[in-house]
Amino acid sequence: DSGVTQTPKHLITATGQRVTLRCSPRSGDLSVYWYQQSLDQGLQFLIQYYNGEERAKGNILERFSAQQFPDLHSELNLSSLELGDSALYFCASTPGSLSYEQYFGPGTRLTVT
Amino acid sequence: GQQLNQSPQSMFIQEGEDVSMNCTSSSIFNTWLWYKQDPGEGPVLLIALYKAGELTSNGRLTAQFGITRKDSFLNISASIPSDVGIYFCAGLVTGSARQLTFGSGTQLTVLP
Repeated sequence: DSGVTQTPKHLITATGQRVTLRCSPRSGDLSVYWYQQSLDQGLQFLIQYYNGEERAKGNILERFSAQQFPDLHSELNLSSLELGDSALYFCASTPGSLSYEQYFGPGTRLTVT
Repeated sequence: GQQLNQSPQSMFIQEGEDVSMNCTSSSIFNTWLWYKQDPGEGPVLLIALYKAGELTSNGRLTAQFGITRKDSFLNISASIPSDVGIYFCAGLVTGSARQLTFGSGTQLTVLP
């Protein structure tokens, strides 16, 4: 158990819909990272937040957004969903600004039908 | 962006055998990480390497940070059934954001 929690575990929704994925980092960790893992593209970095502020953006679509709240949990919002958005979504956290070791949560499996 | 080439893509080995996999990059990395992912689970950090030439062990696992800083190796000795899974390398370039670049993974199957 990495200490990173994600909910829900599974999510099934229809095209065009909007969903919110939630992540709670390990106790004390200030950074949260979001990743998308699909069969054909592996693990792709989406976005990073550090202590409530956006720190870096990767290959995140404009239909996707994220935020980190004062209690440090983070939410990833996916809107206007398409079939190709079906994937595993992981969040990871790091202890602070000087640590590079990212600890991953169990993931949310999103299926868009 | 940085690209990592991980090989082999898959391996089938007999229980008790040693395993070796590697990652190479066209870019220089300052950190190499090795993760293992079981089906339906998140990647679990196995070993972190921070210095060129560094050799680090974690039980039966040994990883090395290549001298050129463009490659890394993971060895598993005396494989057991629970070693089955996908092994990912990940590299990191120091900067304002710690963005990991992941390899495509090595699927390991251990045959009894």
